[in-house]
Amino acid sequence: DTAVSQTPKYLVTQMGNDKSIKCEQNLGHDTMYWYKQDSKKFLKIMFSYNNKELIINETVPNRFSPKSPDKAHLNLHINSLELGDSAVYFCASSQLAGVVNIQYFGAGTRLSVL
Amino acid sequence: DQQVKQNSPSLSVQEGRISILNCDYTNSMFDYFLWYKKYPAEGPTFLISISSIKDKNEDGRFTVFLNKSAKHLSLHIVPSQPGDSAVYFCAASGKSGGGADGLTFGKGTHLIIQP
Repeated sequence: DTAVSQTPKYLVTQMGNDKSIKCEQNLGHDTMYWYKQDSKKFLKIMFSYNNKELIINETVPNRFSPKSPDKAHLNLHINSLELGDSAVYFCASSQLAGVVNIQYFGAGTRLSVL
Repeated sequence: DQQVKQNSPSLSVQEGRISILNCDYTNSMFDYFLWYKKYPAEGPTFLISISSIKDKNEDGRFTVFLNKSAKHLSLHIVPSQPGDSAVYFCAASGKSGGGADGLTFGKGTHLIIQP
């Protein structure tokens, strides 16, 4: 059973389109995250959600919107896709009751914008 | 502005020998450091962490050392095994629990274990 699962694994689309990436965790964690790994291989935090509340939004364009229907899911909606949005997007989750914030990652979604 | 730096993009080590991966950071507010391992087409998986108030943490073949005055940490893997070949990310956390911080990652070091 995959702890953090993302769909789709690959997404190829045209500039200007709107797309969504889904994420689900079955670990019972209370916080979920979205990261972007760009062409330079840096993994950068985009959002985190704790109990359906947005905690961080790191200078991400408002074309990106996270949606959390419940604490096991955090979906990422992207409007008006641009070439620079091409990257690998990782979902993660953690339980903040612990002392150290160990985050568990999904396998990633490779987004290619043509 | 890179707050977490891994200056070696790759490292090649012979099987059975020690692998040492290095990481430097600039933000003295980080209070936890974590190492993640990543295979191609998979997400990063947690390996080991260390609190900023400690200087060493050991878990099986993996040991992390922290030199707070130098703002430097290293991951030692001994003995190195073929399955250790992967990209290793150093990451830092700014708060100890209570806050949904994103982790700040380095760029990664690709470790290659030679048979």
